[in-house]
Amino acid sequence: QSVLAQPPSASGTPGQRVTISCSGSRTNIGSNPVNWYQQFPGTAPKLLIYSNNQRPSGVPDRFSGSKSGTSASLAISGLQSEDEADYYCASWDDSLNGPVFGGGTKLTVL
Amino acid sequence: QVQLQESGPGLVKPSETLSLTCTVSGDSISDYYWNWIRQSPGKGLEWIGYVYSSGNTNYNPSLKSRVTISVDTSKKQFSLNLSSVTAADTAVYYCGRLSYRIPRATGPAHDFWGQGALVTVSS
Repeated sequence: QSVLAQPPSASGTPGQRVTISCSGSRTNIGSNPVNWYQQFPGTAPKLLIYSNNQRPSGVPDRFSGSKSGTSASLAISGLQSEDEADYYCASWDDSLNGPVFGGGTKLTVL
Repeated sequence: QVQLQESGPGLVKPSETLSLTCTVSGDSISDYYWNWIRQSPGKGLEWIGYVYSSGNTNYNPSLKSRVTISVDTSKKQFSLNLSSVTAADTAVYYCGRLSYRIPRATGPAHDFWGQGALVTVSS
């Protein structure tokens, strides 16, 4: 049981906009910024969005993030086949004094 | 470019201790939190714990009684020991850097990860 809650799956067709939600609590998302990671099968996670809405160098601006209260969202616009991957949200938890992760969302491009 | 590389046995017997080392290259090991994170087959990411470059540690309460993480700054390495392993500890183990020093960041993020090491617990 992951600390942060994500839908197990999401899907969309090429060109569509899809969103993935992430729900937490006062001690994590409610008090700290949210990061998002992209993971392809057999590879390590890669930082996709940090501090709610910042993109590391090289991440396309099709990816965006937002946060409100104890929830956050990742949006992918102009969906492409190469976006098919697992997406994880994460945040710092003040009670744990460490990071917590969501269970991951498997994105399928139809 | 920062690189992290896990090393250690890929097979551990039940009740024994799992030991992994992560070697850091391309940047200083100082002033960062160095993490171990695992992913059981087909599952999500589970934070195991971290060691700061000064040696301070913090562990996931669910594993705390069995985990030790240490750092050797002279070798630019940090290590994980997980004792009394069972089949439930079979997973890909990642080492990762948790940084507060990313431009425009308002909190920490795992900005670099190792490629992962599959550890199977079996007799």
